[in-house]
Amino acid sequence: AQSVTQPDIHITVSEGASLELRCNYSYGATPYLFWYVQSPGQGLQLLLKYFSGDTLVQGIKGFEAEFKRSQSSFNLRKPSVHWSDAAEYFCAVGPNTGFQKLVFGTGTRLLVSP
Amino acid sequence: GAGVSQSPSNKVTEKGKDVELRCDPISGHTALYWYRQSLGQGLEFLIYFQGNSAPDKSGLPSDRFSAERTGGSVSTLTIQRTQQEDSAVYLCASSPGTGGSKNIQYFGAGTRLSVL
Repeated sequence: AQSVTQPDIHITVSEGASLELRCNYSYGATPYLFWYVQSPGQGLQLLLKYFSGDTLVQGIKGFEAEFKRSQSSFNLRKPSVHWSDAAEYFCAVGPNTGFQKLVFGTGTRLLVSP
Repeated sequence: GAGVSQSPSNKVTEKGKDVELRCDPISGHTALYWYRQSLGQGLEFLIYFQGNSAPDKSGLPSDRFSAERTGGSVSTLTIQRTQQEDSAVYLCASSPGTGGSKNIQYFGAGTRLSVL
């Protein structure tokens, strides 16, 4: 069955510190991979995506993620966190053909301490 | 419009009533998706439209749920005889198409449904 695991429900990071949010997936073939961010009362905003090619992808707001096929992982990173990054982050996978029936992880809530 | 628009943003209803949730996708986007976000279940796929057709309705939880799309644009999600377990945020997304980079989904802010 297709699934996405985000093992950390909450993470607290000091402002200016680095961040890594973990995502592991189970999928029949190499999927398309996404990270979305959701601020309170808002919809989901796409941070970055991986379709193919270079396994290190850059996104908006200084985020990057690395696809590791051998580990079935797509971890999200940021070198220096800002207070405005506090939000909930969702990893998602979808098929690499046809329409995107996305399967989401349960999310990681990021808290940023001063 | 500039983004995906959903209305109403909040809806409070009594158990047993019917509700309609509306989604206006980004202009020109041919694909439209509905998801449900609830505390116990996370984000779940409900239904997908390509144009006015719904090739995949597999996520609709019961026959009380239905959706339609007209003119290849606006979509309405209808929940009949609402139950308390229907309380959730209903998110709509659209994408330009279904191949490669066209697969990127853009989400609306959602409709928060509360069933009393």
